[in-house]
Amino acid sequence: ETGVTQSPTHLIKTRGQQVTLRCSSQSGHNTVSWYQQALGQGPQFIFQYYREEENGRGNFPPRFSGLQFPNYSSELNVNALELDDSALYLCASSLEVSGQGLYTEAFFGQGTRLTVV
Amino acid sequence: AQSVAQPEDQVNVAEGNPLTVKCTYSVSGNPYLFWYVQYPNRGLQFLLKYITGDNLVKGSYGFEAEFNKSQTSFHLKKPSALVSDSALYFCAVRAPYSGAGSYQLTFGKGTKLSVIP
Repeated sequence: ETGVTQSPTHLIKTRGQQVTLRCSSQSGHNTVSWYQQALGQGPQFIFQYYREEENGRGNFPPRFSGLQFPNYSSELNVNALELDDSALYLCASSLEVSGQGLYTEAFFGQGTRLTVV
Repeated sequence: AQSVAQPEDQVNVAEGNPLTVKCTYSVSGNPYLFWYVQYPNRGLQFLLKYITGDNLVKGSYGFEAEFNKSQTSFHLKKPSALVSDSALYFCAVRAPYSGAGSYQLTFGKGTKLSVIP
């Protein structure tokens, strides 16, 4: 098991609602990335946070937003939920040394299964 | 843009036989390549990575992968399959560091490995 923990493990929301998912990074890691994994698909990159700032974003609309806290934990917020947002949301942490391209491989949490009805 | 192709949705192999899960990639520059495994209702577990050096990379649980630059492939292999190896396998690529936001992983769609007793 990795040291990356996510909460909650399962969640059911109604279309139009807002949701917040949480992630605690592995000790010593400074970077958090979020991925969406739809059923039968590979994970899709949503965004990445380094030093509390978003420093990379995939092809997701602005209603997907996030935060990284000083302890490197992170939140993923999704507003105006749509049925297609139903997926497994994965958080990954890694250690990045900016400017040198040095990093560890990404370690993933167990995921949050979000169902939008 | 970077991409990963896993041409087989499913691979079946008898227990004790060698297994291969195929992966090809497209990325600008020298790639960073990874294999992850996912068990049902779980997050991704890191298996191995190629950054530089020897083309044959050894990883967890007896898995290895061979990097072939000319064929842009990174196939996952194991000399003798176990029933417990049955899972979903994902290949991922990351471009060389090029500044903020270049850390994202691009995953293939996954290959379901079934090891038959």
